[in-house]
Amino acid sequence: AQKVTQAQTEISVVEKEDVTLDCVYETRDTTYYLFWYKQPPSGELVFLIRRNSFDEQNEISGRYSWNFQKSTSSFNFTITASQVVDSAVYFCAHMNTNAGKSTFGDGTTLTVKP
Amino acid sequence: DTGVSQNPRHKITKRGQNVTFRCDPISEHNRLYWYRQTLGQGPEFLTYFQNEAQLEKSRLLSDRFSAERPKGSFSTLEIQRTEQGDSAMYLCASSSPGTLGEQYFGPGTRLTVT
Repeated sequence: AQKVTQAQTEISVVEKEDVTLDCVYETRDTTYYLFWYKQPPSGELVFLIRRNSFDEQNEISGRYSWNFQKSTSSFNFTITASQVVDSAVYFCAHMNTNAGKSTFGDGTTLTVKP
Repeated sequence: DTGVSQNPRHKITKRGQNVTFRCDPISEHNRLYWYRQTLGQGPEFLTYFQNEAQLEKSRLLSDRFSAERPKGSFSTLEIQRTEQGDSAMYLCASSSPGTLGEQYFGPGTRLTVT
């Protein structure tokens, strides 16, 4: 069975600080997908990024970057120069390659203070 | 394109009653997923459909839960003989064939069982 662990329950930073959200997963699948989703306060989950298990290239999108390391089963998410609008709950998820069942972590609540 | 819609948004019911929720996915999306989310937890997979076929169902789902997607468009999730432990947010998501599991989530239906 798959398991996704987000050890940081809550993180609080001051605006413009960099922050890294950790995600560690367990799987027996040889190929799989990993995702990050954002859930703003009283809002819907929003897709941020997908990585294939065979593609360990890190990715940067604006202030967001992701570090995927298969050797340590980690898929960490960094926000550079955080902003108040980044305040949300962030979920990491694993999906099997038939794009069916997803396993989500319990989320990290990020609060960015002005 | 409109997003994923769910109805009703809120449902209060007495223990032992049956409830039914509806999800309308994004029109060209062939995959539809149901999740349950409780406070402080990540979404918990319940089931998913590809077109009208229900391809996977969580073992956590008791026989009181059933889902349908009769014409491969909207889906319904029914809970029979509700229990207080069923109180949660029920989320629906959809994805298109070419996006490898990237899911678009609806606003959810909040169920309260009294």
